[in-house]
Amino acid sequence: ELKVEQNPLFLSMQEGKNYTIYCNYSTTSDRLYWYRQDPGKSLESLFVLLSNGAVKQEGRLMASLDTKARLSTLHITAAVHDLSATYFCAVAVYGSSNTGKLIFGQGTTLQVKP
Amino acid sequence: DTGVSQDPRHKITKRGQNVTFRCDPISEHNRLYWYRQTLGQGPEFLTYFQNEAQLEKSRLLSDRFSAERPKGSFSTLEIQRTEQGDSAMYLCASSLRGGRGEYEQYFGPGTRLTVT
Repeated sequence: ELKVEQNPLFLSMQEGKNYTIYCNYSTTSDRLYWYRQDPGKSLESLFVLLSNGAVKQEGRLMASLDTKARLSTLHITAAVHDLSATYFCAVAVYGSSNTGKLIFGQGTTLQVKP
Repeated sequence: DTGVSQDPRHKITKRGQNVTFRCDPISEHNRLYWYRQTLGQGPEFLTYFQNEAQLEKSRLLSDRFSAERPKGSFSTLEIQRTEQGDSAMYLCASSLRGGRGEYEQYFGPGTRLTVT
């Protein structure tokens, strides 16, 4: 059974600091997604990583993918309060039906304090 | 608005009642997914449609759950004889096979179900 594990599950940090969220998955996949979710809201796509060594950056967030290690990271640079949210990584699984269904991690709740 | 839409946004029902949710995917998206998210957890896959064909169902989808996608456009998810454990956010997502952005799933706002 495919497992996707994130750590930490909760992160409280000061504004201006840097930190990294880790996402490990247990089977081969070349599609890794990062989503943001605000309380009571749906999922907002942040990054789609499609190949080994892929790195994408948007503002203070940077995501990378190492398919050999089955590891993705989401790095936060100089955090600001607006980044407070829950972040999910997800791995696409195709199987015999070629579904591309997403298997999500547990989520990392980020709280940025002034 | 050309995004994924879901209706209703909130539903409160009593245990034992039937409920039906609707999802309208992005126009021309041929792939449609249903996920369920309980409080404090990541979304879990329920079922997948390619056009009008339901190609995969999760074991989470008990006999009380049924989903359809007539004519490959909108989709409905029905829960019969609801139980308190069905309380969750039900999310719909769509994507396009082939072309630009084929790998991205776009999520709707969700339907929050509360079973009392």
